[in-house]
Amino acid sequence: EDQVTQSPEALRLQEGESSSLNCSYTVSGLRGLFWYRQDPGKGPEFLFTLYSAGEEKEKERLKATLTKKESFLHITAPKPEDSATYLCAVQDFNKFYFGSGTKLNVKP
Amino acid sequence: EAQVTQNPRYLITVTGKKLTVTCSQNMNHEYMSWYRQDPGLGLRQIYYSMNVEVTDKGDVPEGYKVSRKEKRNFPLILESPSPNQTSLYFCASSFRSWDSPLHFGNGTRLTVT
Repeated sequence: EDQVTQSPEALRLQEGESSSLNCSYTVSGLRGLFWYRQDPGKGPEFLFTLYSAGEEKEKERLKATLTKKESFLHITAPKPEDSATYLCAVQDFNKFYFGSGTKLNVKP
Repeated sequence: EAQVTQNPRYLITVTGKKLTVTCSQNMNHEYMSWYRQDPGLGLRQIYYSMNVEVTDKGDVPEGYKVSRKEKRNFPLILESPSPNQTSLYFCASSFRSWDSPLHFGNGTRLTVT
């Protein structure tokens, strides 16, 4: 059964305190792993797509990496505006499977 | 502006009263899909469509119907809503069914009493 698990469920950081979010997955036919950011009251906003083990993508303070069984979203020197829920999703053929997200709170 | 538009944003209804949530995209995307988001369960795919007149079930299709008569529109139909369908619903589209990220609408919060 296809499954996506994110950890931790919630993370509180001080501004400037770097950390990582984890997404582990089991799918039979991975077509891509996606990271999204979701702000309260809004739809998820696309951040990254990763396709194969060893791939890395970066955007400002965020860096996503992929292995055969998991992905990490590294947040370097976060700012309060990085506070949001981060969602991981995998595409297995024509279907998408989402994790339940990590709620990040960055305190000034 | 490229966007996915859902209507209404909020909807309160009673058990058994048929309703439709509309979804429209202006990006000429082939792939469209519906999700429900519940606390602790994340986003779960209800139905998806790979192109006009091509639809298929996602993970939680029971109690829902969809249609794709035009490329830009993908309405979600609840013919006899029940309280367990109270949820936050999102429509999303992507350029094609592979190798393309999803673009989401801003959601429809549905309450069934």
